[in-house]
Amino acid sequence: DSGVTQTPKHLITATGQRVTLRCSPRSGDLSVYWYQQSLDQGLQFLIQYYNGEERAKGNILERFSAQQFPDLHSELNLSSLELGDSALYFCASSVGGDITNEQFFGPGTRLTVL
Amino acid sequence: EDQVTQSPEALRLQEGESSSLNCSYTVSGLRGLFWYRQDPGKGPEFLFTLYSAGEEKEKERLKATLTKKESFLHITAPKPEDSATYLCAVQALGTSGTYKYIFGTGTRLKVLA
Repeated sequence: DSGVTQTPKHLITATGQRVTLRCSPRSGDLSVYWYQQSLDQGLQFLIQYYNGEERAKGNILERFSAQQFPDLHSELNLSSLELGDSALYFCASSVGGDITNEQFFGPGTRLTVL
Repeated sequence: EDQVTQSPEALRLQEGESSSLNCSYTVSGLRGLFWYRQDPGKGPEFLFTLYSAGEEKEKERLKATLTKKESFLHITAPKPEDSATYLCAVQALGTSGTYKYIFGTGTRLKVLA
């Protein structure tokens, strides 16, 4: 158990809908990272927040957004969902703000878009 | 174009049969290369970060090395519990002070008892 929690574990929804994925980092970690893992594209870095502020942005679509709250938990919002958004979404956390810090991954949320 | 390529895609070893996994990269401004282990249906588990050519790091039966073009993950006398997908990732400088974080597609390792 990495200490990072993600909810829900599974999510099934329809195209065009909007969903919110939640992540709680390990105690003491200030950075939260979001990743998408699909069969055809592998693991992709989406975005990083450090102590409430956006620190780095990867291949995140405009339909997706994220935020980190004062209690350091983070939410990833996915809107206007498409079939291709079906994937495993992982959250990771680290102590510092540099992405080279050791990251601890959560168990993931499996999103299925029908 | 920035690229991270891992080989082989899949590898089957007998218990105790040592081997190496390869991660080759073409990026400008490498800041770090990372190795992760991922079990099916679970999140990746951090193994190593390498920062510069010539650097080596070890952990139990695993040893990671880095050159200017590639990294190797050497597995010595593997055990069945080493079976997993091993992912390589690089962090490189992007434009306007940003950075890129690019993953390879992984090597699926199966160690047979």
